[in-house]
Amino acid sequence: GIQVEQSPPDLILQEGANSTLRCNFSDSVNNLQWFHQNPWGQLINLFYIPSGTKQNGRLSATTVATERYSLLYISSSQTTDSGVYFCAVERVKNTDKLIFGTGTRLQVFP
Amino acid sequence: DTAVSQTPKYLVTQMGNDKSIKCEQNLGHDTMYWYKQDSKKFLKIMFSYNNKELIINETVPNRFSPKSPDKAHLNLHINSLELGDSAVYFCASSRRGKQAQFFGPGTRLTVL
Repeated sequence: GIQVEQSPPDLILQEGANSTLRCNFSDSVNNLQWFHQNPWGQLINLFYIPSGTKQNGRLSATTVATERYSLLYISSSQTTDSGVYFCAVERVKNTDKLIFGTGTRLQVFP
Repeated sequence: DTAVSQTPKYLVTQMGNDKSIKCEQNLGHDTMYWYKQDSKKFLKIMFSYNNKELIINETVPNRFSPKSPDKAHLNLHINSLELGDSAVYFCASSRRGKQAQFFGPGTRLTVL
């Protein structure tokens, strides 16, 4: 099956720093989503981004489908950004079946 | 105005018991899902329903039986609970066909 690898596995930042999280996938996809799981366990959809670039406030994401990777940028990080960030993909020809990566655990300290 | 809700939030039970988790969405979506998150935070899809029809059924023990009375509800019934069933179970919903999925708050199941 498709492999979804995220890096780095862990990231520690001071408030105000910028960061880039990466998601590599081993096969063609037609659906890619980024999620944030906050310290209380809630999974929040950040981006639906099968290709191209999107921005939402301090967060932006870029997916280069032809090269099989996606990047999530967090600028001016805040303590509320702490949690686990997941990338999830759906293979071409599958139906709405998201395969999740192993996540990047982010801790932001004041 | 909760979008995807689940009940209960916590479930603690003995091995061998049968339990159910309920999920409801008010987003007008036609597809609903059950995911399992293990102790290492790995998320894996279990089932997916579209307009009450089962469309994804991963390799899940048949002790797990989803039921969708209508497209706004998807319940999960688990028979003969085992220790290994302890996990957080998430319900999600979306519009069919490569759309963003929205998750409920999760149900933490602990089997003693």
